[in-house]
Amino acid sequence: AQSVAQPEDQVNVAEGNPLTVKCTYSVSGNPYLFWYVQYPNRGLQFLLKYITGDNLVKGSYGFEAEFNKSQTSFHLKKPSALVSDSALYFCAVRDIDTDKLIFGTGTRLQVFP
Amino acid sequence: DAGVIQSPRHEVTEMGQEVTLRCKPISGHDYLFWYRQTMMRGLELLIYFNNNVPIDDSGMPEDRFSAKMPNASFSTLKIQPSEPRDSAVYFCASSTGPRDTGELFFGEGSRLTVL
Repeated sequence: AQSVAQPEDQVNVAEGNPLTVKCTYSVSGNPYLFWYVQYPNRGLQFLLKYITGDNLVKGSYGFEAEFNKSQTSFHLKKPSALVSDSALYFCAVRDIDTDKLIFGTGTRLQVFP
Repeated sequence: DAGVIQSPRHEVTEMGQEVTLRCKPISGHDYLFWYRQTMMRGLELLIYFNNNVPIDDSGMPEDRFSAKMPNASFSTLKIQPSEPRDSAVYFCASSTGPRDTGELFFGEGSRLTVL
């Protein structure tokens, strides 16, 4: 079965510093990986996806993610964090057998001024 | 485009009452998903539809839960009778097809509190 793991419940970073939110995956076959963001009292919003091609994927709001096959990771990154980036971030993988999106447990990002 | 529209945004009810949550997907999207979010269990997929037909309801917790999609622009999730453990935020999402992009468009959610 396909799955993703987000090892950190919370990540704290100072505004202006680079941020990384970690995700590792377990799949059979080629992975289809996604990042979503959830702001308070809102639904999830799509940030970016990796299907195939370049290992560095660029998405919305200046976020990017690096696909690393050898480490089975898909970490979300941003060179310079903003206070407004504070939110809950979900990594997800598409289960190729069922077409379901399997979400991780989420990582709360807190950016301090 | 108005996005995925859910109603009500907040619902407070008493144990044993029937609860109906509603969803209008984005026009042209032929996949519709119902998710439940709680602190304890995170984000759970309850059921999803393709072209108004339920494809996988293995996530529906028990017979008290039912979902319908009578047409391409409307779906309901019903809980009867409701219990306090059903308290959660229920999200509806739609997409053009997970096999194409995997990008889901979520509604704002319906926060359910069962007393």
